[in-house]
Amino acid sequence: GAVVSQHPSRVICKSGTSVKIECRSLDFQATTMFWYRQFPKKSLMLMATSNEGSKATYEQGVEKDKFLINHASLTLSTLTVTSAHPEDSSFYICSARDPTKTADTQYFGPGTRLTVL
Amino acid sequence: SQELEQSPQSLIVQEGKNLTINCTSSKTLYGLYWYKQKYGEGLIFLMMLQKGGEEKSHEKITAKLDEKKQQSSLHITASQPSHAGIYLCGAVALTGTASKLTFGTGTRLQVTL
Repeated sequence: GAVVSQHPSRVICKSGTSVKIECRSLDFQATTMFWYRQFPKKSLMLMATSNEGSKATYEQGVEKDKFLINHASLTLSTLTVTSAHPEDSSFYICSARDPTKTADTQYFGPGTRLTVL
Repeated sequence: SQELEQSPQSLIVQEGKNLTINCTSSKTLYGLYWYKQKYGEGLIFLMMLQKGGEEKSHEKITAKLDEKKQQSSLHITASQPSHAGIYLCGAVALTGTASKLTFGTGTRLQVTL
C-alpha cells in the first residue's frame, strides 16, 4: 500500500520553542493532507486539512497561529507548533489522500510524539 | 456534526476467543472505515464499507454495515496476540468534505495467553 512518513518520530522541546513536524507521501502525490492530534487513550481529533498551494482549513477550536501548516509541494506538508507549551504535548498524526484512488482513501503516517517540558 | 460511539471502550479476551466491537453513528453513514492502531504508532487500514448490509472479511476479521447504515460491527474470530491494539472506526462526511474523517472513541483490545 501507499506509504506516508513523518519526521521526527519523537521530539522533546523546551516550553516556548517552536517545533516542525514533516509529513511526506513517498510514492504518490497528495493534493490533500490531514493533521490529527491524539491524546493518551483518546481517539484522533482532526486539526486541519492541508491543501497543496493554498491555505489550510482549520477545525473549530484549533488556533491557526499556534499550529502553522504549510503544504508547499505535492509530497510534503509541515505542521509547526509555535511557542510550544506543556499542554501541546501529544501524539500528532498526518494522513494523505491519494487522488488516483477512491476519493476517501487516506493513508496515515506513523505519528510524531511531542513532549514539551 | 457526526458522532461515532464505539463499544466496548476496552476489551480483554483470552487467545482463541471471538469478539465483537461496535460502532454506532448519530447520522447515516456515507462510508465507514475500520482502522487498527498499535500504541504510539500510526493507523493501519483494515476495511471500508459503503453499502447497507455490506460485509467484508480479511483473514480472521469481518466487518459489517447494517441496512440503515448507522451501525457497524467488527468481529474477530479466534483472536491472537497480534490482534491486540486500538480499533477505530471512522466515518466520512457526506458532502462538501468528502475526505474528512471523523473517528470513533476507540476500543482497546488486549489478548491474553
